[in-house]
Amino acid sequence: SAVISQKPSRDICQRGTSLTIQCQVDSQVTMMFWYRQQPGQSLTLIATANQGSEATYESGFVIDKFPISRPNLTFSTLTVSNMSPEDSSIYLCSVDLHVESGYTFGSGTRLTVV
Amino acid sequence: QKEVEQNSGPLSVPEGAIASLNCTYSDRGSQSFFWYRQYSGKSPELIMFIYSNGDKEDGRFTAQLNKASQYVSLLIRDSQPSDSATYLCAVNKGGYQKVTFGIGTKLQVIP
Repeated sequence: SAVISQKPSRDICQRGTSLTIQCQVDSQVTMMFWYRQQPGQSLTLIATANQGSEATYESGFVIDKFPISRPNLTFSTLTVSNMSPEDSSIYLCSVDLHVESGYTFGSGTRLTVV
Repeated sequence: QKEVEQNSGPLSVPEGAIASLNCTYSDRGSQSFFWYRQYSGKSPELIMFIYSNGDKEDGRFTAQLNKASQYVSLLIRDSQPSDSATYLCAVNKGGYQKVTFGIGTKLQVIP
């Protein structure tokens, strides 16, 4: 399975600011996925990031709020823009090396917006 | 109706007992089914996947799938305190389709 390095592991941010989360994978992957896990909630897919094309966003998530970069096959970033306390959550990146083996997740970024 | 439904628990079982975790899904086109374990403060880790009707066993874990009933379950035999975690059921339509997660069932194994 892939090894994913995600950073920062946690941060406390002021409302109105932005935070960029980075994910580095130890192998080349076609797609990377960004999830959010709010307290007491399940994992919710924010967007799918393909290398060389714009990310595909799920309903309720927009590029202006969550811009994503995917410059190569091993790296992606997610930015949480103009943050509000409602953005406080755990953000996870993941990859799917083999369709039937499920996703491998990064260690997550615990974001608190004050 | 949620796409993937789980009882959030907590489900408490004594050490050594069998823990039974259940999940239902709404999309009959779903093809692959996963169970993830998530310890508090950690990211999910895959423990089982299944795509054919019937049972699949791996050590103390058995996944059961019934596509006609749109039901998937996870049995943990000889439950240990270290099995205490939240277990997430996830469903995929096949190929590079997105995976949808349930809310997870919190399992507590009592020594």
